[in-house]
Amino acid sequence: EDQVTQSPEALRLQEGESSSLNCSYTVSGLRGLFWYRQDPGKGPEFLFTLYSAGEEKEKERLKATLTKKESFLHITAPKPEDSATYLCAVVDNYGQNFVFGPGTRLSVLP
Amino acid sequence: SAVISQKPSRDICQRGTSLTIQCQVDSQVTMMFWYRQQPGQSLTLIATANQGSEATYESGFVIDKFPISRPNLTFSTLTVSNMSPEDSSIYLCSVSPSGYTDTQYFGPGTRLTVL
Repeated sequence: EDQVTQSPEALRLQEGESSSLNCSYTVSGLRGLFWYRQDPGKGPEFLFTLYSAGEEKEKERLKATLTKKESFLHITAPKPEDSATYLCAVVDNYGQNFVFGPGTRLSVLP
Repeated sequence: SAVISQKPSRDICQRGTSLTIQCQVDSQVTMMFWYRQQPGQSLTLIATANQGSEATYESGFVIDKFPISRPNLTFSTLTVSNMSPEDSSIYLCSVSPSGYTDTQYFGPGTRLTVL
């Protein structure tokens, strides 16, 4: 059974203090790993899709990386508007549905 | 990506009643999904809405409780039937333009409170 865990559960950063969020997964053949941002009371907003180990994607202050067992979302010099819950999800080669992790709640303080 | 709207955005309902949530996409999509997100929790897939056939439900979810329609490639509804306070959640519609294994894009969600 596919499983996804995320750490830490919650993270508080000062503005400008860079850090990384972790997504560890167990799947029988990874088809894709997805990162989303979710603001309170809203639907998840798509950030990145990663397909193979070694792949990296960047968008503004965010960079996602992928290994065979985990993915990292690096946040460089975060701003208060980066505060949100960050979710990762995986889908396996059998084409089963997305399995979401529990999320990391990020707070960036001014 | 696709632009997805949901109606209503929120509702407060009485126990024992039913609510139908609508999901509209601005373009034709292959796959549409319905998720539930209970307070402080991550997303749980309820079912895949199949165009022209019955929805495919995940373990723990049944058609009598969560009937789903998908009359065309841009629209779907989810009904939450005979509601109880345990059904209070955010219900989310998502679409995958290219299939099961492709990126999913989410609607804004419907916040349901059952009294």
